[in-house]
Amino acid sequence: NAGVTQTPKFQVLKTGQSMTLQCAQDMNHEYMSWYRQDPGMGLRLIHYSVGAGITDQGEVPNGYNVSRSTTEDFPLRLLSAAPSQTSVYFCASSYSSTLAGVGYNEQFFGPGTRLTVL
Amino acid sequence: GENVEQHPSTLSVQEGDSAVIKCTYSDSASNYFPWYKQELGKRPQLIIDIRSNVGEKKDQRIAVTLNKTAKHFSLHITETQPEDSAVYFCAAILRDNYGQNFVFGPGTRLSVLP
Repeated sequence: NAGVTQTPKFQVLKTGQSMTLQCAQDMNHEYMSWYRQDPGMGLRLIHYSVGAGITDQGEVPNGYNVSRSTTEDFPLRLLSAAPSQTSVYFCASSYSSTLAGVGYNEQFFGPGTRLTVL
Repeated sequence: GENVEQHPSTLSVQEGDSAVIKCTYSDSASNYFPWYKQELGKRPQLIIDIRSNVGEKKDQRIAVTLNKTAKHFSLHITETQPEDSAVYFCAAILRDNYGQNFVFGPGTRLSVLP
């Protein structure tokens, strides 16, 4: 299994350009999410999906769109890039299971995309 | 919503010593607390987790403790080695209407000095 894959690894954009960050997983996970990582701020949730056709906003959704047409793929679209979107972006996927009545969820991360907006 | 605080932000220890990182969370409904390790330029990887129905979990040199009443949990690394040097993130899972969301702490940069 390839796990969670992301493309591209690096990207430089000019302000106002649009692009799509790709994420795919081959573990048949229902849950997928996008985080951005900025220095000193940990990982912040942008958007997430609990299955094909179902998405919702996280903590920092502005400027980003997502869709989930298949279980495997969860692309993140930047509609009009801004310098504030310079960051490292991680996609993650997870399954859900319940042990002793307590549900839990282990997330598997992709390798990340380093985005610079000039 | 959930808020996760993490301390310290940086930690330096001598090889062989112990390291402790503490996190607090705000939502009493949170019931799953993972710890991730991130080496420079790499992706975060799960190293240990704990569910709300247990108070402590150990895995070789790593342990996690949970105090639900005080709403805090800690990562303990014993006999530290240089390869333990990394950024460590704690997280809490928030049960919402759709599924599960993670809220991460800001991270602790651990340096193990030889």
